[in-house]
Amino acid sequence: AQSVTQLGSHVSVSEGALVLLRCNYSSSVPPYLFWYVQYPNQGLQLLLKYTSAATLVKGINDFEAEFKKSETSFHLTKPSAHMSDAAEYFCAVSDWAGNQFYFGTGTSLTVIP
Amino acid sequence: KAGVTQTPRYLIKTRGQQVTLSCSPISGHRSVSWYQQTPGQGLQFLFEYFSETQRNKGNFPGRFSGRQFSNSRSEMNVSTLELGDSALYLCASSLSTSGPTDTQYFGPGTRLTVL
Repeated sequence: AQSVTQLGSHVSVSEGALVLLRCNYSSSVPPYLFWYVQYPNQGLQLLLKYTSAATLVKGINDFEAEFKKSETSFHLTKPSAHMSDAAEYFCAVSDWAGNQFYFGTGTSLTVIP
Repeated sequence: KAGVTQTPRYLIKTRGQQVTLSCSPISGHRSVSWYQQTPGQGLQFLFEYFSETQRNKGNFPGRFSGRQFSNSRSEMNVSTLELGDSALYLCASSLSTSGPTDTQYFGPGTRLTVL
């Protein structure tokens, strides 16, 4: 069965600092991994996805994530945090057929001016 | 291209009532999934419809049901509402042509409050 674990339900960073949000996966088959962002009172927006084409995945708004099979991780990073990055971030894995997503519990990112 | 739309955006109901939520997917998308989001349980998968057929179902009681129409629009129904059903209900659509790498596009959600 597939699952993801997000370490740290709350992360605070200073504006301009590195953002690192952690995600570890558990999957019995090659995983297909996603990062979504949710702003207050909105739905989820796709940041990036890993589809086995490249281990370093670049997404929108300068976010990127690296798939590390040896560590079963797919951590999300951004070199320099902006105030507008404050939101809830979700890591997800899809099942083998793509019919169901399994989401992590989310990480709330606060950006301190 | 218009995104996923959900109506209504907000609902207030009382215990024991039933409610119907609506979701219109992105044009051309044939798969619609529903999720329940609560502070305690996070995002939980309810069910997924493809070509008017329920293809996948999460671990929710039978009070939660859904359907999909020939134009891919979907509705979700919750009967005999309980306080614990208060949540943000999210709908997502996808093309469902490339399997597990398909991207799900989410609507803004319907905020259901049960009093």
